[in-house]
Amino acid sequence: QSVLTQPPSASGTPGQRVTISCSGSSSNVGSNPVSWYQQFLGTAPKLLIYSNNQRPSGVPDRFSGSKSGTSASLAISGLQSEDETDYYCAAWDDSLNGRVFGGGTKLTVL
Amino acid sequence: EVQLVESGGGLVQPGGSLRLSCAASGFTFRTYDMNWVRQAPGKGLEWLSYINRGSSHIYYADSVKGRFTISRDNAKNSLYLQMNSLRAEDTAVYFCARDRAATAREGGMDVWGQGTTVIVSS
Repeated sequence: QSVLTQPPSASGTPGQRVTISCSGSSSNVGSNPVSWYQQFLGTAPKLLIYSNNQRPSGVPDRFSGSKSGTSASLAISGLQSEDETDYYCAAWDDSLNGRVFGGGTKLTVL
Repeated sequence: EVQLVESGGGLVQPGGSLRLSCAASGFTFRTYDMNWVRQAPGKGLEWLSYINRGSSHIYYADSVKGRFTISRDNAKNSLYLQMNSLRAEDTAVYFCARDRAATAREGGMDVWGQGTTVIVSS
């Protein structure tokens, strides 16, 4: 059972906008920045979003992040087939004194 | 090229020990905080440990506290994870990852190694 809750799956058609949610609590998402990672099977994760809504250089602006209260979201606009993979959210947890991940969301492009 | 390369994984018996290494290159290692993250087969990511640039702040996940020890040698541009009392549930791919921010709370692991596989089995 992950500390941060993500839907196990999400889907969309090419060109569509999809969002993936990440629900936490006051000790993690509610009080610390959220980051998002993209991971293809058998490879290392890649940082997509940090500090709730900042993109590292090289990440397309189709990817955006937001946060409100104890929930965060990753939005992918102009969905492409190559976006089909796993996505994880993460944040520091002040109660656990450690970093926590969501359980991951498998995105399918229909 | 900014790079992290893990090594030291392998097959170990339950109760055994293993030391993972992570060699950094292409950036000033001593100015970055570092992490270990693992992924069990077919499962999600699990953060294990964090060490700041000067080794003065170290944190562990409850699942490995008291069994695993993170350390670094800035002169050798290397990060380590000493794993003791290994259990079957420690079987996973272990990644080292660089923290982009100045503090642990800010988060954002922007450079990752390719991972090294640890299998705990008799």
